Amino acid sequence: DAGITQSPRYKITETGRQVTLMCHQTWSHSYMFWYRQDLGHGLRLIYYSAAADITDKGEVPDGYVVSRSKTENFPLTLESATRSQTSVYFCASTADEPSNNEQFFGPGTRLTVL
Amino acid sequence: AQSVAQPEDQVNVAEGNPLTVKCTYSVSGNPYLFWYVQYPNRGLQFLLKYITGDNLVKGSYGFEAEFNKSQTSFHLKKPSALVSDSALYFCAVRDYQTGANNLFFGTGTRLTVIP
Repeated sequence: DAGITQSPRYKITETGRQVTLMCHQTWSHSYMFWYRQDLGHGLRLIYYSAAADITDKGEVPDGYVVSRSKTENFPLTLESATRSQTSVYFCASTADEPSNNEQFFGPGTRLTVL
Repeated sequence: AQSVAQPEDQVNVAEGNPLTVKCTYSVSGNPYLFWYVQYPNRGLQFLLKYITGDNLVKGSYGFEAEFNKSQTSFHLKKPSALVSDSALYFCAVRDYQTGANNLFFGTGTRLTVIP
């Protein structure tokens, strides 16, 4: 089906482990984003990408790594997970200038770090 | 620095009554403003946006928002609330700080429509 998907939907891991969250979109959108959603903070931007092989930091990038070798995929890796990274993670995409175009969000990945 | 404030964590309204979800903003440039809605266990969905033009913006599901430059507000409104409108609502503003003109989101307001 067309759209934006995330996997896994739920993940439990332990402190210190590496975790990769996957994001895939079928629209060939140029821009892709990773957000985390925490109570009291709303959504905060972790990383974004304007095109394949172009990524940049958002508001809260520490502890995360991203790559974008293909337009349709934008994986987010927690190299050494910490409890503070327990959160719901959302991937989003948009075709054009992000500041004046709607973003399309995936269903989210709920990550628990024990 | 830009910011967006949603002063109410929770709004309760009776079904059929008008609803308002408040948002105020502070930006260094032109205010590009958005409203998104999040239903339980779902990602955010776009409702409406103000970029330029008419101060009253109409969006999806019968929602509208009024841009008020003097009060730096962008409140979301609906004339008659439905139980199905119960969700988490986010206001967002163009982010002039992190580059690439991304969006900066508020902390969200949970709307509950009481039957």
